[in-house]
Amino acid sequence: GAVVSQHPSWVICKSGTSVKIECRSLDFQATTMFWYRQFPKQSLMLMATSNEGSKATYEQGVEKDKFLINHASLTLSTLTVTSAHPEDSSFYICSAKGQGGYEQYFGPGTRLTVT
Amino acid sequence: QQQVKQSPQSLIVQKGGISIINCAYENTAFDYFPWYQQFPGKGPALLIAIRPDVSEKKEGRFTISFNKSAKQFSLHIMDSQPGDSATYFCAATLQAGTALIFGKGTTLSVSS
Repeated sequence: GAVVSQHPSWVICKSGTSVKIECRSLDFQATTMFWYRQFPKQSLMLMATSNEGSKATYEQGVEKDKFLINHASLTLSTLTVTSAHPEDSSFYICSAKGQGGYEQYFGPGTRLTVT
Repeated sequence: QQQVKQSPQSLIVQKGGISIINCAYENTAFDYFPWYQQFPGKGPALLIAIRPDVSEKKEGRFTISFNKSAKQFSLHIMDSQPGDSATYFCAATLQAGTALIFGKGTTLSVSS
C-alpha cells in the first residue's frame, strides 16, 4: 500500500516560536495533500487542502497566516505553525492522494506540545 | 447535509463476535465511502472502501454493506479479535481529490 511519512513524530516548543511539520509520500506522487488536526478522543478536523504548486485552500476558521502550508513538490508538503501558543497543542495528521482514484493515505501524525 | 453520522460511539464485543458500526449520510452526491482504523497515537489507516454502485464489499474479516436508498452504510467485523480494538471512522467524499468528511468515530473494545 501507499506510504506517507511525517516528521517529526512529536515536538515540544515554547510559546511564540514556529514549528515546521513535514509530510512526504514515499512511494507515489501526491497531487493533493490534506492537513488535519485531532483533539483527544475526537474526530479529524480538516484544516486545509493543498494541490502541488498551488496555494492551499483553508477551511473556515483556520488562520492561514498562522498555519502556513506549502506543497512545493509531488512528494512533500509542509505545515508551519507560526507563533505557536498552548492552544495549538494537538495531533496534526496529513493525508495524501495520488492522481486518479479516491484513496487517501494518512501519515502517522505529529504530536505538538506548546509550553 | 455535509455530515456523516456514525453510531455507536463505543462498542464492546466478545472475542469471536461480530462488530457492527453504522453510518448515515444526507448528501446523495457522495460517491466514495471509506472506513479507517486508528490506534492511539497513530494516523488512520485505510481499511476498506466502497462506491455506491455496489451493495457489499468484503475483504477478509471486514465487510461494508451499503444501502443507497436508505443512505446508510455499515462496517461488519467478523470473528472480532482483541487486536481489532481501535477507533473506527467512516467517511465520505463528493469526488476524487476532495477532502473526506468523517464521522465522529467508534471506539471498539474486543474482550478476550
